[in-house]
Amino acid sequence: AQKITQTQPGMFVQEKEAVTLDCTYDTSDPSYGLFWYKQPSSGEMIFLIYQGSYDQQNATEGRYSLNFQKARKSANLVISASQLGDSAMYFCAMREGEGGGFKTIFGAGTRLFVKA
Amino acid sequence: GAVVSQHPSRVICKSGTSVKIECRSLDFQATTMFWYRQFPKQSLMLMATSNEGSKATYEQGVEKDKFLINHASLTLSTLTVTSAHPEDSSFYICSARDPGATDTQYFGPGTRLTVL
Repeated sequence: AQKITQTQPGMFVQEKEAVTLDCTYDTSDPSYGLFWYKQPSSGEMIFLIYQGSYDQQNATEGRYSLNFQKARKSANLVISASQLGDSAMYFCAMREGEGGGFKTIFGAGTRLFVKA
Repeated sequence: GAVVSQHPSRVICKSGTSVKIECRSLDFQATTMFWYRQFPKQSLMLMATSNEGSKATYEQGVEKDKFLINHASLTLSTLTVTSAHPEDSSFYICSARDPGATDTQYFGPGTRLTVL
């Protein structure tokens, strides 16, 4: 069964506008972490933002914010004021706790295209 | 911040040869390292979890005799693709877990393997 689901294979956004990339997850482990990574064409994985399962507030990092809805098991990434350099693949990932071997598994990814 | 390096960044080899990829954590001791492979336009698939001083744990469907993993020290893990075939051509990415205060996982820049 899919543990991380990203339903948007591709997204377009106008430069300077905000965009939301969807992510839902499935786990029975009470302790887990959710991540978003950006992967440009160079292939490197760039860490964007982290949300712990026990965190009460939504994580924010500059233009990135994570809309964490625990009951719905969703962890959507919001990018505000999109820039042309934001065009890339974006992966949602989850790391379960000790019961899951601290492994990080990835969703299928969403390719974001920022239009000028 | 913490850095994980991979060597080589690119390798082209003939079918039937073996290729070794190194993953190093440069400024922290990584008790656990992970190896992923990524086919074009696809997500990262976890291949195995490597713990220092013990045998690697392979994910279902990954041939352990084909993908040999050695985690001989707290800063080095190696992945050897034995008797490589064209279908092994892929992007291989390692990550290292820093079990310190933030328990963060850092990714290497990846190794692009092409088997002719």
